[in-house]
Amino acid sequence: DQQVKQNSPSLSVQEGRISILNCDYTNSMFDYFLWYKKYPAEGPTFLISISSIKDKNEDGRFTVFLNKSAKHLSLHIVPSQPGDSAVYFCAARFYNQGGKLIFGQGTELSVKP
Amino acid sequence: DGGITQSPKYLFRKEGQNVTLSCEQNLNHDAMYWYRQDPGQGLRLIYYSQIVNDFQKGDIAEGYSVSREKKESFPLTVTSAQKNPTAFYLCASIGVSKNIQYFGAGTRLSVL
Repeated sequence: DQQVKQNSPSLSVQEGRISILNCDYTNSMFDYFLWYKKYPAEGPTFLISISSIKDKNEDGRFTVFLNKSAKHLSLHIVPSQPGDSAVYFCAARFYNQGGKLIFGQGTELSVKP
Repeated sequence: DGGITQSPKYLFRKEGQNVTLSCEQNLNHDAMYWYRQDPGQGLRLIYYSQIVNDFQKGDIAEGYSVSREKKESFPLTVTSAQKNPTAFYLCASIGVSKNIQYFGAGTRLSVL
């Protein structure tokens, strides 16, 4: 049972345009959501997060939107840069379970010059 | 530098052999985690520990064992009972806020 899903395995975007990565979840007990960026053969690096009590969080070129009624979150990258090319994972934290995370399958973003 | 150190970067296991992956952190984090990543899949939780001398099974604990004798260290042993050990293994830790997990660089385990 996949509680966190990223239905697009890959996404290709032109440099300077917007990248939108999507993530759906099923469990209402998630209270915190995170996006990680990962390069091959490296550990994931934290990108941006959002609490379940908010609907938007922005950090520079990165914005995460949360739609609780739809159980959907998205990561917007504007403008996209070639260095953004990586695999992006969304993750959801269970309420009151010591920081335990459930990860989606990842979306590979390719930003073309 | 503060961070999470995983070693070795590459590891090879022979049939019937147990191997141990090291994870050390100097972030003074209480909780530590082990994940496994397979191609095209997300990270799956193997074991986690919230305090010293205590740990819990994750979603795919069979064939693995851990110990947490020191706050800084959380080694993972891949036993011979794990029939499909080839994967990329990631260690993470989290601070008091329990908000953000920080990851090591990973260990790639292959079977000879």
